[in-house]
Amino acid sequence: EAGVAQSPRYKIIEKRQSVAFWCNPISGHATLYWYQQILGQGPKLLIQFQNNGVVDDSQLPKDRFSAERLKGVDSTLKIQPAKLEDSAVYLCASSLMSAVGSPLHFGNGTRLTVT
Amino acid sequence: QQQVKQSPQSLIVQKGGISIINCAYENTAFDYFPWYQQFPGKGPALLIAIRPDVSEKKEGRFTISFNKSAKQFSLHIMDSQPGDSATYFCAASRSGANNLFFGTGTRLTVIP
Repeated sequence: EAGVAQSPRYKIIEKRQSVAFWCNPISGHATLYWYQQILGQGPKLLIQFQNNGVVDDSQLPKDRFSAERLKGVDSTLKIQPAKLEDSAVYLCASSLMSAVGSPLHFGNGTRLTVT
Repeated sequence: QQQVKQSPQSLIVQKGGISIINCAYENTAFDYFPWYQQFPGKGPALLIAIRPDVSEKKEGRFTISFNKSAKQFSLHIMDSQPGDSATYFCAASRSGANNLFFGTGTRLTVIP
C-alpha cells in the first residue's frame, strides 16, 4: 500500500510571498487532514475533509490559509501572504473513514521556512 | 490552550530499561487515545491506541495504562531498544470526530 505523498519536501520563501503544498492520500481514504507542526510542538489540525467537503476548519487562519480537495482525492493547502510564524512542517494525513478510531496515516510533510 | 498535556519533554533510558511517558487531559468528551511515534524527517506513525472502557492495552513491548477518573494515560516501553529512539506524541479525540489533539511530544533517547 502506497503511503501519503506530499510535495515539495522543503520550501523556503520570503514573508508576504505565497506558497502551495500538495497531498495525495492513500487510495480509497475518504478523510484527509492538514496539520501544522511547529518545531518542538505536536501537530495541530488546520482542516479536515470528508471526500471533498470540509468537516472542520475551525483552526485554519482563513485570512491567509486556504485549502481545497477537488474530486475528493488530492488536496492543496495555500498560504498567501506568508508570515514568519508560518515556518513549520505541514503534514497531510488520511484515514479510511472519519469515525473515531480510524487510524490516521501521515505523509512525511513539507518543511516551510519563511524568511 | 493545550488540550493534552504531556511529560517529560525528554527522556534518556538505558538499553533494556523501561521508558514511561505521561499524558493528562481535561475534556471528558475525549474517548480515543492513541500514541504516535515520529522519527526525524518522517510523519508520525500510529503505535498503539486505547479506548476509555479498558484500563490497559498491551502490544508487544508497548503498553498503554489508562486512568479515567484521573484523566491520565501513559505509555510504557519495556526492554527499550536504541531503535525506539524517537519522539512520542500522545493524542486524544472526542466522540463523533476523528481530529486528533496532540501533546507536545517526548523525545526519547535509548543509550546502548
